[in-house]
Amino acid sequence: NAGVMQNPRHLVRRRGQEARLRCSPMKGHSHVYWYRQLPEEGLKFMVYLQKENIIDESGMPKERFSAEFPKEGPSILRIQQVVRGDSAAYFCASSPQGPSSGANVLTFGAGSRLTVL
Amino acid sequence: AQSVTQLDSQVPVFEEAPVELRCNYSSSVSVYLFWYVQYPNQGLQLLLKYLSGSTLVKSINGFEAEFNKSQTSFHLRKPSVHRSDTAEYFCAVRGIGRGSSYKLIFGSGTRLLVRP
Repeated sequence: NAGVMQNPRHLVRRRGQEARLRCSPMKGHSHVYWYRQLPEEGLKFMVYLQKENIIDESGMPKERFSAEFPKEGPSILRIQQVVRGDSAAYFCASSPQGPSSGANVLTFGAGSRLTVL
Repeated sequence: AQSVTQLDSQVPVFEEAPVELRCNYSSSVSVYLFWYVQYPNQGLQLLLKYLSGSTLVKSINGFEAEFNKSQTSFHLRKPSVHRSDTAEYFCAVRGIGRGSSYKLIFGSGTRLLVRP
């Protein structure tokens, strides 16, 4: 039973390029969460998605960042026109049920480390 | 809203010594509490969690944490650490109940450095 799969594990981009990070949730999980970890800091919530729906994107920067979780395929976190401040580790987590269902323990992926030159 | 404070950014300790990593939280509602561990260049792994019931929870590798509601704490302890315990440890909280955010709120992490 594969866990949460994220790719690429490492991504290097130059300023102004686009970054696409992919997340395949655990089998049977239909709820996906993205978190960002800046250097020397804890994880910060970015967005919560279900299939074909963005439920909460209150943690997403207003510009350049977008996320989707299509009916088929992985969830994608897209960062347009990257800047050096976007350099961070981006973690995806999934859960089998929604937040209203009990403890809703999240399972995290290994993360995607973005470096912007 | 919830917040988490991990008072120590780094805790150096000698191998086989005991260790305590401190975590305090604030919340206006009841909470679930978690400890996650992040080994170098890896993702987060759930170490242990408090959901309900016994306030003392244990992991399979010898860590334990105790939920103290009056002190709003969830400190992590291990009586004897190994070199392989060197990692970053994150405390996290989530509010319970209607109107509470489902988001996990993380502390800033404590780096446990086990020396020979």
